[in-house]
Amino acid sequence: GAVVSQHPSRVICKSGTSVKIECRSLDFQATTMFWYRQFPKKSLMLMATSNEGSKATYEQGVEKDKFLINHASLTLSTLTVTSAHPEDSSFYICSATRPNEEQYFGPGTRLTVT
Amino acid sequence: DAKTTQPPSMDCAEGRAANLPCNHSTISGNEYVYWYRQIHSQGPQYIIHGLKNNETNEMASLIITEDRKSSTLILPHATLRDTAVYYCIVRGRSNDYKLSFGAGTTVTVRA
Repeated sequence: GAVVSQHPSRVICKSGTSVKIECRSLDFQATTMFWYRQFPKKSLMLMATSNEGSKATYEQGVEKDKFLINHASLTLSTLTVTSAHPEDSSFYICSATRPNEEQYFGPGTRLTVT
Repeated sequence: DAKTTQPPSMDCAEGRAANLPCNHSTISGNEYVYWYRQIHSQGPQYIIHGLKNNETNEMASLIITEDRKSSTLILPHATLRDTAVYYCIVRGRSNDYKLSFGAGTTVTVRA
């Protein structure tokens, strides 16, 4: 299957700082990328859908000014958690897809805000 | 997208087949059944998908009932590395490729 990477795999930051997470499709061009978050022992929750070259579409209840998403190329999307707080600590997972194909997921990024 | 119902957990013995049920009684004609799994602290992994016919690949088999209201994922020879949460998801093949993850089934393979 296709390969999707995320960087960093884990990050610890102080409250009030911003953190950027990268998602790359390594062997294909992804027209659409998705960002999910997952709290311990919970299922994945979709945060936003990102299409290359256009603004991301956020799910209800997700603050677009807090979770900035950029999809500047067909192989890279970034999620920036701005002014992070301890409640933003979570497992963030991206996925990438192209038309009529499955979603391929990255390995996830564990964010801890202290 | 149609909602799915899965048992919260199941155990199976290493080397035996694992049969994971999924109910999707409100599935519509153009919706596919997808299966993903998530091993602890990793991103989900695509397993298989199908529309009407049974499907098989190197990982698993997918059996869909004739009325399409339920399906079964079969792991033919479960190994300890198959221990994971398995998600059954129903969605269309439109330009909106969103996946809605439910609680899934926690499968524990025991030696």
